[in-house]
Amino acid sequence: KAGVTQTPRYLIKTRGQQVTLSCSPISGHRSVSWYQQTPGQGLQFLFEYFSETQRNKGNFPGRFSGRQFSNSRSEMNVSTLELGDSALYLCASSGGDRGYQETQYFGPGTRLLVL
Amino acid sequence: AQSVSQHNHHVILSEAASLELGCNYSYGGTVNLFWYVQYPGQHLQLLLKYFSGDPLVKGIKGFEAEFIKSKFSFNLRKPSVQWSDTAEYFCAVNGDNYGQNFVFGPGTRLSVLP
Repeated sequence: KAGVTQTPRYLIKTRGQQVTLSCSPISGHRSVSWYQQTPGQGLQFLFEYFSETQRNKGNFPGRFSGRQFSNSRSEMNVSTLELGDSALYLCASSGGDRGYQETQYFGPGTRLLVL
Repeated sequence: AQSVSQHNHHVILSEAASLELGCNYSYGGTVNLFWYVQYPGQHLQLLLKYFSGDPLVKGIKGFEAEFIKSKFSFNLRKPSVQWSDTAEYFCAVNGDNYGQNFVFGPGTRLSVLP
């Protein structure tokens, strides 16, 4: 099976712009989670989508949003970019129907640099 | 709030040395525990996981971890490290009220000297 894929791999934006990141889960997986990874804060959970619905959400401002399509692909959007949004954004997928007893598989990430 | 701590920020070992990386979590309910590894320039990969049963779990590449419930710990071990084990190691916890919200530790950077 192909793994989790994320596009683009690298992005450079300027403050105030918005950005959309894409994630394609492992075939058959219905849950997609997004994480932000920074040297200072480590890996922090953004949100999780299952069957096109946001099922769980972390403590990030409303500038961070996402959605999931019927084929389980997911997008994450960040509006009004700030310098502090520079990070590696990771997507993880899992089956989604076993509650907390699941394993997440991670994609390579999208590295976002905000200038 | 749930949290995960990892004892060491950076560990430096020589090849063939034994490794133990500490991980502690704070959550009183039922947990699933994971160790992920991130090699330089690569994505997070699952090393091993504990859901239930035998508290000593074996993973890939000779790694193992032991879940000690009374200590809220899930330490990672390897009897003899190799230069190729140089990477960052993350402990993660998913509790029975977390949904899909994995809580990660800050990571431990392992440098293995040839």
